[in-house]
Amino acid sequence: GAGVSQSPSNKVTEKGKDVELRCDPISGHTALYWYRQSLGQGLEFLIYFQGNSAPDKSGLPSDRFSAERTGGSVSTLTIQRTQQEDSAVYLCASSSGWTTGGIDEQYFGPGTRLTVT
Amino acid sequence: AQRVTQPEKLLSVFKGAPVELKCNYSYSGSPELFWYVQYSRQRLQLLLRHISRESIKGFTADLNKGETSFHLKKPFAQEEDSAMYYCALYSGGYQKVTFGTGTKLQVIP
Repeated sequence: GAGVSQSPSNKVTEKGKDVELRCDPISGHTALYWYRQSLGQGLEFLIYFQGNSAPDKSGLPSDRFSAERTGGSVSTLTIQRTQQEDSAVYLCASSSGWTTGGIDEQYFGPGTRLTVT
Repeated sequence: AQRVTQPEKLLSVFKGAPVELKCNYSYSGSPELFWYVQYSRQRLQLLLRHISRESIKGFTADLNKGETSFHLKKPFAQEEDSAMYYCALYSGGYQKVTFGTGTKLQVIP
């Protein structure tokens, strides 16, 4: 079946503009994660949605970052008033939560490369 | 709070040499641990998980609760093993999975 998809694949924006990044998880997956991957910084957790529970926003770097997940499916990550340090690859992952063998693995999307000029 | 530490940002080894990518975690309960890998221009994907106790692409990892470690090992490195490797920890319930900062493995021909 279809994997996790993200759009756009590349986004170039001017400093100070707002951007929206979209994630389409695997159908039926209850867990959805956003990460940021910067050169030399590895994988940085941003936000986690699990079913109808309140999202874990502990990784959002500032109040310019927000995310929502509509209908338990598609998620949008919004960055307001973008700064050059926001330039990175933004990854989305989804998971079914639990299987008989333990917690399910995360399935990652291809990422959105954001460049702030 | 759960925490995962990968002390090496970059590990360079020669082809055919043994590889050990270090991962230490902080969690007092019974964790589930994973290794994820990202090859060049590919998606991040699961390599192995400690529960399954299997060897994938020649890699193994043993959970050592006494040392709170989950090091990834391979006896003979291959060039195609060059990639970014992330260790991840799940601590139960509705907790998120926590990733380490990653180690870039470079296998020199």
